[in-house]
Amino acid sequence: DADVTQTPRNRITKTGKRIMLECSQTKGHDRMYWYRQDPGLGLRLIYYSFDVKDINKGEISDGYSVSRQAQAKFSLSLESAIPNQTALYFCATSDPVETQYFGPGTRLLVL
Amino acid sequence: ILNVEQSPQSLHVQEGDSTNFTCSFPSSNFYALHWYRWETAKSPEALFVMTLNGDEKKKGRISATLNTKEGYSYLYIKGSQPEDSATYLCAFMAGANSKLTFGKGITLSVRP
Repeated sequence: DADVTQTPRNRITKTGKRIMLECSQTKGHDRMYWYRQDPGLGLRLIYYSFDVKDINKGEISDGYSVSRQAQAKFSLSLESAIPNQTALYFCATSDPVETQYFGPGTRLLVL
Repeated sequence: ILNVEQSPQSLHVQEGDSTNFTCSFPSSNFYALHWYRWETAKSPEALFVMTLNGDEKKKGRISATLNTKEGYSYLYIKGSQPEDSATYLCAFMAGANSKLTFGKGITLSVRP
């Protein structure tokens, strides 16, 4: 079984809709991250959390929110989706030396 | 915003060629430098985590070096194979409680 899972894997939604992307991990790591990948722009950090009560903005947090419900779960919400949020989204955890373990990705299309 | 630069942006080589990539990062407040390999339709996977100036790490035909004083790391692939085709990402970490800043990646294509 995968250590970091994401649901859904693919999602098509319409402008203005609220959607949530879920991430779960079985690695027992405290630190979790949400990234988005756009062609030519690499991986950009949206939000990160160093433990259950800790939420930090990344470089592109506008239009997104997160919830760290438990050590193993970190969800990303788009309150009102817009087309430029169409991207590939990755969740990741990190070990004590900060090696990142990525989920399989969620491909989101906002029409 | 930390500036992590990778060059070249893409590279096309013949099977058997050796190749190398550069990652440049701020030389102040260095904590760690990571390399990741990202195959198409998969997730990035860690290759190396480097923390000390002068570090050299090796995994099979792939190796990396680190110069924290001048702010660069090299990734070498000896005798490239088609299965080495992927995007190679470096990521810089400025402190123990900071997050990783990724470069845009270098896309390698190895022709059989």
